[in-house]
Amino acid sequence: AQKVTQAQTEISVVEKEDVTLDCVYETRDTTYYLFWYKQPPSGELVFLIRRNSFDEQNEISGRYSWNFQKSTSSFNFTITASQVVDSAVYFCALSEAGRTGNQFYFGTGTSLTVIP
Amino acid sequence: DVKVTQSSRYLVKRTGEKVFLECVQDMDHENMFWYRQDPGLGLRLIYFSYDVKMKEKGDIPEGYSVSREKKERFSLILESASTNQTSMYLCASTPGGFNEKLFFGSGTQLSVL
Repeated sequence: AQKVTQAQTEISVVEKEDVTLDCVYETRDTTYYLFWYKQPPSGELVFLIRRNSFDEQNEISGRYSWNFQKSTSSFNFTITASQVVDSAVYFCALSEAGRTGNQFYFGTGTSLTVIP
Repeated sequence: DVKVTQSSRYLVKRTGEKVFLECVQDMDHENMFWYRQDPGLGLRLIYFSYDVKMKEKGDIPEGYSVSREKKERFSLILESASTNQTSMYLCASTPGGFNEKLFFGSGTQLSVL
């Protein structure tokens, strides 16, 4: 079973529109971390945010915001007033405390295209 | 800033060749990872290493091996390249611990003809 599900494979929006990228995760651990990474066309994945399982407070960073809801096992990412530079593949990931070694689970990614 | 450097951005090899993909990190990180990225499949872990000379198989180790003789360097080896190993290969590192973020290299796009 997929531990991290990103149901949206591809999304296209027109510049300045808001867009939400969905991430649903599955874990039995009570202690875990959730991450979002951005992969621009250059190829290198860049870390965006980390959230631990005990902190459900939403976070805003400029045009980016994240909504963490344990009740629905979701960690969604919203870009407000999208820009062409936001075009990239976005990955959600889960890391569990109860697992050693390979503790990172990645979703399959959402490819976002922002049309000028 | 942590730097993870992969030796080649693009690589073209022939079927049956032995291929070496090199990865170097400059921040004394304990853990290093090799992922393969394919459209629709996301990132799949090939191998990871949590210490020098230590390695563990990931989800898709078949056809690959790794080497970590020094802490900063983690090599991925394709013993006999096949066309189904054409893919984007990503190296990553972390200091250690499940709460640490991954630092990624810029990737190597390998084409096996």
